[in-house]
Amino acid sequence: NAGVTQTPKFRVLKTGQSMTLLCAQDMNHEYMYWYRQDPGMGLRLIHYSVGEGTTAKGEVPDGYNVSRLKKQNFLLGLESAAPSQTSVYFCASTLRSRARQGSGELFFGEGSRLTVL
Amino acid sequence: KQEVTQIPAALSVPEGENLVLNCSFTDSAIYNLQWFRQDPGKGLTSLLLIQSSQREQTSGRLNASLDKSSGRSTLYIAASQPGDSATYLCAVSPNTGTASKLTFGTGTRLQVTL
Repeated sequence: NAGVTQTPKFRVLKTGQSMTLLCAQDMNHEYMYWYRQDPGMGLRLIHYSVGEGTTAKGEVPDGYNVSRLKKQNFLLGLESAAPSQTSVYFCASTLRSRARQGSGELFFGEGSRLTVL
Repeated sequence: KQEVTQIPAALSVPEGENLVLNCSFTDSAIYNLQWFRQDPGKGLTSLLLIQSSQREQTSGRLNASLDKSSGRSTLYIAASQPGDSATYLCAVSPNTGTASKLTFGTGTRLQVTL
């Protein structure tokens, strides 16, 4: 059981380049999230999705776009990378929403380390 | 806005000691609180999840407590081992909305020495 898989694990970009991070989960989870982790700032929510075809903004959405065309995949895109987007990006998923009495336990991927020069 | 604080930022203990990690949060209207472990260069692994109606959860040598009214949670690790060395993060989910959007603390980096 793979759980939550992120690709790529490492990437170096030049300022202005674009790229997409892929998150795939095989647990049939409804909710998926993208976080970034920076030293001294903890994890911050970028965007999230409550189901196939839906996305919503989190705490720090500027400069990122997302898509959830299939339930198992959640893509995070950077259209024009900036040095401030150098970070470690984590994808997470959970089975059910609170409204459906899910526990809300999150499962995380291993992370994608992005450096923007 | 919810704020989550973890003190201390780093802790070093000799093997075998019992230890307590602290987590405090400013808004008591939470749905749940989770404790995670993160090894260097790795993702987060869920250790314990406490629903807002619960007071504590236990898993092996780990025990997490929750005092919602005072905005505090503790993670107790019994008989610490070198393999427990990692960063421990707590996170709270708000009691509004449906999306389980967690607010994280910045973590406590634990080192257990031989």
